[in-house]
Amino acid sequence: TQLLEQSPQFLSIQEGENLTVYCNSSSVFSSLQWYRQEPGEGPVLLVTVVTGGEVKKLKRLTFQFGDARKDSSLHITAAQPGDTGLYLCAGKYSSASKIIFGSGTRLSIRP
Amino acid sequence: NAGVTQTPKFRILKIGQSMTLQCAQDMNHNYMYWYRQDPGMGLKLIYYSVGAGITDKGEVPNGYNVSRSTTEDFPLRLELAAPSQTSVYFCATNPGGVGANVLTFGAGSRLTVL
Repeated sequence: TQLLEQSPQFLSIQEGENLTVYCNSSSVFSSLQWYRQEPGEGPVLLVTVVTGGEVKKLKRLTFQFGDARKDSSLHITAAQPGDTGLYLCAGKYSSASKIIFGSGTRLSIRP
Repeated sequence: NAGVTQTPKFRILKIGQSMTLQCAQDMNHNYMYWYRQDPGMGLKLIYYSVGAGITDKGEVPNGYNVSRSTTEDFPLRLELAAPSQTSVYFCATNPGGVGANVLTFGAGSRLTVL
């Protein structure tokens, strides 16, 4: 069974703090995506990483793909209330066309 | 260009009833997926298809069926609905091919089974 484990499940922090969300698997991904989802809507893509060790930045968000392409992290610097939402990682395995999701991290930023 | 269209948006079913969730796309994407999302959780893959006439099981296929007779449509059938199937269902597409890994989602269908 291919699993994507995401941690933490919930995170509530003060505005201005930094945080990191992790996405781990025992299998190798051909690519990994991070999505953000607002209540009542579908997930919206933030970034795709495809190369082991790759780092991508999106304003205050930094995404890293593990060297072995089995894990990824999302780091938010100086979190703002507008960052509140459900963050999801999704991985595509090399040997399959299916794309599976982690269990999600619900982030709440307190003003 | 509508993208991915899901119908209905909301539906209430009684236990044991059957229904079909519709998904249509106008982007000529080869790959289509059905996910379900329980409250506060991630998405679980139900079924997916890499082209017309080809379907495959995902992580949680029990209680569901799919068909893919055309590139555009990928309906999800629920037979004998159960309360455990209460969820939000998302259809998603992907162009397919090497390097194609980004999903385009529909707006979701909220199903309640009572």
